[in-house]
Formats: sequence, C-alpha cells, structure tokens
Amino acid sequence: GAGVSQTPSNKVTEKGKYVELRCDPISGHTALYWYRQSLGQGPEFLIYFQGTGAADDSGLPNDRFFAVRPEGSVSTLKIQRTERGDSAVYLCASSLLGPDHTQYFGPGTRLTVL
Amino acid sequence: GESVGLHLPTLSVQEGDNSIINCAYSNSASDYFIWYKQESGKGPQFIIDIRSNMDKRQGQRVTVLLNKTVKHLSLQIAATQPGDSAVYFCAETPNTGNQFYFGTGTSLTVIP
Repeated sequence: GAGVSQTPSNKVTEKGKYVELRCDPISGHTALYWYRQSLGQGPEFLIYFQGTGAADDSGLPNDRFFAVRPEGSVSTLKIQRTERGDSAVYLCASSLLGPDHTQYFGPGTRLTVL
Repeated sequence: GESVGLHLPTLSVQEGDNSIINCAYSNSASDYFIWYKQESGKGPQFIIDIRSNMDKRQGQRVTVLLNKTVKHLSLQIAATQPGDSAVYFCAETPNTGNQFYFGTGTSLTVIP
C-alpha cells in the first residue's frame, strides 16, 4: 500500500498548546497539499508545496499555522497556540506534478482542541 | 472567493437505480474538475475527472458531464449499489491557480 499516510489519526490537545501533524505522500509525488475539513463541509485548502517550497500558502488562516516540507517528501503542519476553532480533520493530499493532476488523499488527522 | 456548490445536500436512491449528483461552479476560468467520494472517517477518494476541453467522460459505472455554458457539472452513477453510499464532492481548479475548491458535498444513501 503506497498511499498517502497521516499521523496521528487522532489528536486531542488543550487550548493554547502546540501540535504537529505529519503527512507522508505517495513516493515520487512532487506536489503536496494540506486541507482542513470541518464537519459537514468540503475540504478547505490551506497550503500547496511543489518540492520543498510552499508554492501557495494563501489558505493558511493566520500566522499560528505553518507547514514545512524540508526534503520534498514528508510534510509537517504545525499549529501554535491552538484554539477550539482549530478542531477539524486535517487532510493531506499529494499529486504527481501539480494542481492539474489528480490529488490522492490520506485518511486525515482528527484534531480536537479542548 | 470561489463558489462551488451542490444543488442537493442529500440524495436517496433504490439499489439498482441510477444516481445523478449535480454541482455548480462560479469560476469560468476553471479548467479541471474532479469528483471525489468520501466515506465516513476516511479521506476523499478519487472517482473521475474531466478537463474543460471535454463535455463528457465515462468510467466504470460513472459518467461525468460538464456544461461550461451554465457552469454545471454532474456525476452519474449507474446501477447504484449499497457501497456507493457516501458523501460526494466536486472540486475544481482554475488554470491560473494552485488551489482546488471543493463544494459542500452531497450525501448519497442507497436503499437496499
């Protein structure tokens, strides 16, 4: 199974804490995306990486959110000073080249901020 | 911002019937569209895609129709099965951007 994997599957944290969410894309996929999905809604774009660089981070809601992909493969989404409104499922997707190629999604990390 | 919406939030069909799920989009510059299926607790799963230079594309039991004139996309599922029960999302990306915009989703329930 060479799909997109995400860890942890569930994360419960307290308001104000720092969290890191990890994404392992499909091997060979240069494009990686992070989305946030609230209950009953479609995924909402956060950030897009092409290789190691963030090609588009316009979806990040504020400066508490940050993502890295230092070696062009695994990516980490970092959220500082978490708030209850950050509670959602965070989805990662990867595609072979870019936005006009099929994105394959991981199972998501369910983040709950108490 | 972008607007990708669905006409019906829920749809119930009898097993064996055909299903049609509709989606409207607002950006006339959108040139790549995808339908995803999402089961509870899982990430979206690719079903079928279509580019703006086409108006129809067929897969196994699924057909996507694109009407650029009215900015409308539909997903047709033939001989719907219980395993088709899920939430279906359309997503689109403009040729000038990097983002995929998802609609709210349609929940399909197949009645055995």
